[in-house]
Amino acid sequence: DQQVKQNSPSLSVQEGRISILNCDYTNSMFDYFLWYKKYPAEGPTFLISISSIKDKNEDGRFTVFLNKSAKHLSLHIVPSQPGDSAVYFCAASSGNTGKLIFGQGTTLQVKP
Amino acid sequence: GAVVSQHPSRVICKSGTSVKIECRSLDFQATTMFWYRQFPKKSLMLMATSNEGSKATYEQGVEKDKFLINHASLTLSTLTVTSAHPEDSSFYICSADRISYNEQFFGPGTRLTVL
Repeated sequence: DQQVKQNSPSLSVQEGRISILNCDYTNSMFDYFLWYKKYPAEGPTFLISISSIKDKNEDGRFTVFLNKSAKHLSLHIVPSQPGDSAVYFCAASSGNTGKLIFGQGTTLQVKP
Repeated sequence: GAVVSQHPSRVICKSGTSVKIECRSLDFQATTMFWYRQFPKKSLMLMATSNEGSKATYEQGVEKDKFLINHASLTLSTLTVTSAHPEDSSFYICSADRISYNEQFFGPGTRLTVL
């Protein structure tokens, strides 16, 4: 039972354009959501997070939107840069357990 | 700051042997560490929650006798894969929950290959 889903395994965008990565979840108890960036053979690095009491959080080029009614969140990267090319995972947690449930990941390729 | 290391980064072992993987928080204390496993092109799967000074909590379907976890101090957790089999070959990643911060910091991962 995949509680966190990233239905697009890959995404390709042109440098300078917007990258939109999507994530859906099924567990309404999730109250904290995170996005991680991961390179092959490395651990994930934290990008941005959002609490369920908010619908938007912005940090530089990265913005995360949360639609609780649709159980959907998205990560917007604008403008996209070639260095953004990586696998992006969304993750969700509930309560203060710290346990993260990850999506399958989306491979982003930003072309120069 | 907030660096998590894992050792070894890669290990190749024969079937039937045991392998120990260390996870250290280098510049902060972590009462809780997590162990994940990632199969190729798949999601990170939470295996267990490691709490300093107490027994680990395993996720459903994870054999606690096969994946032994010890969290001996606030900066070190170890995962021992006992009697390893080829199907245990995977990428194992730990994370550390920094005390007073609502954020986990991940280690670089350990690639285990069981022949």
